Amino acid sequence: DAGITQSPRHKVTETGTPVTLRCHQTENHRYMYWYRQDPGHGLRLIHYSYGVKDTDKGEVSDGYSVSRSKTEDFLLTLESATSSQTSVYFCAIRGGLAGSYEQYFGPGTRLTVT
Amino acid sequence: AQKVTQAQTEISVVEKEDVTLDCVYETRDTTYYLFWYKQPPSGELVFLIRRNSFDEQNEISGRYSWNFQKSTSSFNFTITASQVVDSAVYFCALSTDRGAQKLVFGQGTRLTINP
Repeated sequence: DAGITQSPRHKVTETGTPVTLRCHQTENHRYMYWYRQDPGHGLRLIHYSYGVKDTDKGEVSDGYSVSRSKTEDFLLTLESATSSQTSVYFCAIRGGLAGSYEQYFGPGTRLTVT
Repeated sequence: AQKVTQAQTEISVVEKEDVTLDCVYETRDTTYYLFWYKQPPSGELVFLIRRNSFDEQNEISGRYSWNFQKSTSSFNFTITASQVVDSAVYFCALSTDRGAQKLVFGQGTRLTINP
């Protein structure tokens, strides 16, 4: 158990509204990631963070922003949600021992934009 | 650009059969990392294995084994004597950035083990 929680776990929102998803970790990992999972696409990286206030874009970052003001929290914001952002969102940490490269995932957030 | 292809979208076998899930990757980098993840029907993602590009040793863990072949850019996963609990979606992934470790995933293979 990598100590990762995501909130909310499910959310239904309307097109055009802002949405913020939260990822919380308890083990002081430096790297945190946000992915989205869609049928036929596997998982795709949205943004990642390599430290407090240090973030960078991933493959599908358009329409998303992130913030990391504390080591333990990584927030994903959809400024104005669109139906194409209906997806399952997974947070991950790069965990384990120093030099470890594997990522461990949170339970996911199912977001539906109507 | 990096790419991972899992050509088998769905596989269905009868319990106790052996099954191999294929993974082919593309990258121009000489240093890279390959991963397999399992996503059972409950939805969580479970890390199974990581392999570095400079380590072509195959690995066996119980009924699971992995065959890494740089010559064919493949990292295949075999389950021996499959069980119903092996039913899941399996993802192969690649990263080439030693620092950020940005994962590129394949589309996934849905494996169904029938009793």
